[in-house]
Amino acid sequence: DTGVSQNPRHKITKRGQNVTFRCDPISEHNRLYWYRQTLGQGPEFLTYFQNEAQLEKSRLLSDRFSAERPKGSFSTLEIQRTEQGDSAMYLCASSLARVETQYFGPGTRLLVL
Amino acid sequence: GENVEQHPSTLSVQEGDSAVIKCTYSDSASNYFPWYKQELGKGPQLIIDIRSNVGEKKDQRIAVTLNKTAKHFSLHITETQPEDSAVYFCAATPGAGSYQLTFGKGTKLSVIP
Repeated sequence: DTGVSQNPRHKITKRGQNVTFRCDPISEHNRLYWYRQTLGQGPEFLTYFQNEAQLEKSRLLSDRFSAERPKGSFSTLEIQRTEQGDSAMYLCASSLARVETQYFGPGTRLLVL
Repeated sequence: GENVEQHPSTLSVQEGDSAVIKCTYSDSASNYFPWYKQELGKGPQLIIDIRSNVGEKKDQRIAVTLNKTAKHFSLHITETQPEDSAVYFCAATPGAGSYQLTFGKGTKLSVIP
């Protein structure tokens, strides 16, 4: 399968702990996006990379959140000192440069107790 | 920023009937409008998209129309089948070099056999 993959698929953590999620985009897609989706809502944009450069960040991305794409391939999203309000589905998408079409992965569902 | 409104929030149709979902957007510079289908526990799946230089696009039983003057676009599904049951999201990109998608809140479509 050559689609976007995300790991882990589910994560349960206690408030105050740090968590890290990984996204592997479609091969040769040089744009990678992170979104967050809460129950009953549409996905909300967090940030996006073109190759290894982080080009846009939403106001939703507080200083407890950090995203990296060190070699322009896979990306990680880390949440430090998790809060119950961080419970959500974290979605990753990828696209080719100069093409708007974004393809989403299956998401990582985070539950903060 | 961009704001996307989507209606209705829930829609029930008999198998074989048509379903229509409508969205409006606020930013007149928006130029790309995808539709996604999301099944329970999965990531959004692109089903059709339209760009601002096109008024209508069809793909088998699915069609999208765009009215730039009124800033609204619609998804039409004909001959609905039970497997069309899912949550559908419309989205828009703000243009001007930004690639973040702004999503509507979703429409839960139920196709009754």
